[in-house]
Amino acid sequence: DTGVSQNPRHKITKRGQNVTFRCDPISEHNRLYWYRQTLGQGPEFLTYFQNEAQLEKSRLLSDRFSAERPKGSFSTLEIQRTEQGDSAMYLCASSLGSGGGAHNEQFFGPGTRLTVL
Amino acid sequence: TQLLEQSPQFLSIQEGENLTVYCNSSSVFSSLQWYRQEPGEGPVLLVTVVTGGEVKKLKRLTFQFGDARKDSSLHITAAQPGDTGLYLCALRLFTGNQFYFGTGTSLTVIP
Repeated sequence: DTGVSQNPRHKITKRGQNVTFRCDPISEHNRLYWYRQTLGQGPEFLTYFQNEAQLEKSRLLSDRFSAERPKGSFSTLEIQRTEQGDSAMYLCASSLGSGGGAHNEQFFGPGTRLTVL
Repeated sequence: TQLLEQSPQFLSIQEGENLTVYCNSSSVFSSLQWYRQEPGEGPVLLVTVVTGGEVKKLKRLTFQFGDARKDSSLHITAAQPGDTGLYLCALRLFTGNQFYFGTGTSLTVIP
């Protein structure tokens, strides 16, 4: 399967614990996005990488959230000191970006469902 | 303020009926994507439209991008139960690489 993969698919944790999610994008894609989606809403942008550089971050991404893409391939999203309000589906997407102007089609992974008790 | 509005929010129709869902923005955007999402899964890309006035067809689905590049519609002909899902539009502005999603239209097609 050459699509975007995410692990784990489901995570249940207790409030205050740290969690880390992994995203493996389509291999030739240099852009990687993280989104959060709650029930009844569309995905909300969290952050975006071009290769290993984190270029944009949403105001939604509090200081408890950190994302990395150390080698420009897979990415991790860590949430520290989880809160019940962090419960959501965390989606990763990748795209084959080019130097500006491209419509930049995104392909999504299946998501990681986080439940904070 | 919501950048992207989708309507209707919910739609329940009988198999064989036609339907149209809408996506409207207060801003002009460079491109727009339509996705379908099933429960517990990530969105699946259906189409990307980039040119004002563009019309694309995907089997029974017809996508239109408004001339002013501020709106789009998705028309489904002879809906089938397999069309059930959350239909999302996402736009990209001319500046930045961020995509903005609407809240989606939840479609249920009853056999």
